[in-house]
Amino acid sequence: GNSVTQMEGPVTLSEEAFLTINCTYTATGYPSLFWYVQYPGEGLQLLLKATKADDKGSNKGFEATYRKETTSFHLEKGSVQVSDSAVYFCALTAGGYQKVTFGTGTKLQVIP
Amino acid sequence: DTGVSQDPRHKITKRGQNVTFRCDPISEHNRLYWYRQTLGQGPEFLTYFQNEAQLEKSRLLSDRFSAERPKGSFSTLEIQRTEQGDSAMYLCASSSRATDYTDTQYFGPGTRLTVL
Repeated sequence: GNSVTQMEGPVTLSEEAFLTINCTYTATGYPSLFWYVQYPGEGLQLLLKATKADDKGSNKGFEATYRKETTSFHLEKGSVQVSDSAVYFCALTAGGYQKVTFGTGTKLQVIP
Repeated sequence: DTGVSQDPRHKITKRGQNVTFRCDPISEHNRLYWYRQTLGQGPEFLTYFQNEAQLEKSRLLSDRFSAERPKGSFSTLEIQRTEQGDSAMYLCASSSRATDYTDTQYFGPGTRLTVL
């Protein structure tokens, strides 16, 4: 079956630090890959996505590259802000199934 | 476009009571999904509609749970005889392959259910 593994949190960084959140996946066929973000008390917001190998998704300074050879989709940002504090979920759809398979989430806390 | 909306945002109920949640998808989206998220976990798929047809159900969706989308627009999720283990955030999402070939799902703010 499909699965997503992402690094455990919480991750605590100082403002302007570099962020990496690791994500690897197992999937049938050719998955589409996503990062969603959840701010406290809110639903999920799509952050970025990539639908084929070597595609790079980007939004709000965040980037992730679809690496088929390593089955990875790591999230990066060059300089985090306090407002980036949230829980980040790596996710995929694959195999003709409509459901999104999520990782367990990584909580990011950015301190001033 | 106002996005996916859900009502209510919070629901507190006593064990054994029935509850119903509503989801209004993005207007042009024909696909609608329900997920459940417990504390510290990622969302888990419950069920999926294409227009008014319920095409997929998870094993998580016990016989106490029922979902409908009668006219292919809004959807309701009902839980009968609630149990404390039903306490969770219930998320709704919608998508449209016709307008987005990636069929990306967009989520609502969720309904947080607390069963006492």
